[in-house]
Amino acid sequence: KAGVTQTPRYLIKTRGQQVTLSCSPISGHRSVSWYQQTPGQGLQFLFEYFSETQRNKGNFPGRFSGRQFSNSRSEMNVSTLELGDSALYLCASSFEPGQGMTNSPLHFGNGTRLTVT
Amino acid sequence: QKEVEQDPGPLSVPEGAIVSLNCTYSNSAFQYFMWYRQYSRKGPELLMYTYSSGNKEDGRFTAQVDKSSKYISLFIRDSQPSDSATYLCAMKNSGAGSYQLTFGKGTKLSVIP
Repeated sequence: KAGVTQTPRYLIKTRGQQVTLSCSPISGHRSVSWYQQTPGQGLQFLFEYFSETQRNKGNFPGRFSGRQFSNSRSEMNVSTLELGDSALYLCASSFEPGQGMTNSPLHFGNGTRLTVT
Repeated sequence: QKEVEQDPGPLSVPEGAIVSLNCTYSNSAFQYFMWYRQYSRKGPELLMYTYSSGNKEDGRFTAQVDKSSKYISLFIRDSQPSDSATYLCAMKNSGAGSYQLTFGKGTKLSVIP
């Protein structure tokens, strides 16, 4: 079974630009979460989607947004990039049997390394 | 005080040693506890997943959870150079309808041949 796939692996952008990152979850997984990883703050929760609906959002500014499609694939967007947005962005998926039962583990992709210059 | 505290290391041990990695936490609502291993330029890989207090063993790895002390541990027996990585603890509460993990900052481990 293929794992979580994130594209692209690396991105270099300039301050003020916007960027879109893509994530394909493990087949059959309906829950997708996004995390930001930096050396200073570690892994921080961005948001989570289930059945095309944002279920939870972390403490990030509105410049960070996301969406999920009917096939469970997800994208996140960062507008008006700042130098501090340079990070590894990780997508994770989990299998939920239904009724929002969130007791199955998260599986991560290898991330997109975003560098803002 | 951060919700999850983890000594960042680095921790360096000789091959074959027993490694002990630990996290403490402050949120008593946490019910699920995980350990992830992250190699350089890779995403976190799930190692152990436990619910509530107790021990869980998988090969050379043993996870322990002590909810009364808000303390979790990961033990690695017969450590190998291939175990050299950053180890992250993660936790979540039992609330349905959301899957938000809170992570420690990770401990960097080096196993020297």
